Amino acid sequence: NAGVMQNPRHLVRRRGQEARLRCSPMKGHSHVYWYRQLPEEGLKFMVYLQKENIIDESGMPKERFSAEFPKEGPSILRIQQVVRGDSAAYFCASSTTTGTSYGYTFGSGTRLTVV
Amino acid sequence: AQTVTQSQPEMSVQEAETVTLSCTYDTSESNYYLFWYKQPPSRQMILVIRQEAYKQQNATENRFSVNFQKAAKSFSLKISDSQLGDTAMYFCAFMKHGRTSGTYKYIFGTGTRLKVLA
Repeated sequence: NAGVMQNPRHLVRRRGQEARLRCSPMKGHSHVYWYRQLPEEGLKFMVYLQKENIIDESGMPKERFSAEFPKEGPSILRIQQVVRGDSAAYFCASSTTTGTSYGYTFGSGTRLTVV
Repeated sequence: AQTVTQSQPEMSVQEAETVTLSCTYDTSESNYYLFWYKQPPSRQMILVIRQEAYKQQNATENRFSVNFQKAAKSFSLKISDSQLGDTAMYFCAFMKHGRTSGTYKYIFGTGTRLKVLA
């Protein structure tokens, strides 16, 4: 089991460009969670998705951010027209059912740098 | 809303000594879970230890143990016999089940940077 795979590991974008971050959940997992870690801060919840459905997006910024988890393929976190404040590490986690109180396994994250 | 506070931005400890990292939280929930995560420079989030709020017994995992004081809403991490490999950021996290979302979500503190000195 390869664990939660995120790519790219590092991503550099110029202001105004689009960033696409990918997350492949653990084998057999159909639920995905995205968290963002701003510099010198802890992780903050962004969105929870099941296959083809967004269940909870209460942590997503209202504009420029979107997420999807298609029937086939990885979950994608998309940031349009990036700004410097989007520079952060973005982490993904997955689970088989509607979450677990035992703690999630996170991917290694994607560090987005906006220049 | 729940909050998690880690009041020690940085700490250092001599190798083989013991260090305690503090964490306090605020919640009106009665059933929840608490975690400590380690984040080394590789950025990987590594689960160190977990505590269930309804259990009075403090969790232990080898050299890592917690002091869980539910009434005081305190959840400190003790690292015994510190090793150089323990150098990392340590995050305290609160987790509860969301009735609306139907899933478990974390709330993380801002972290404590621990450096173990040779």
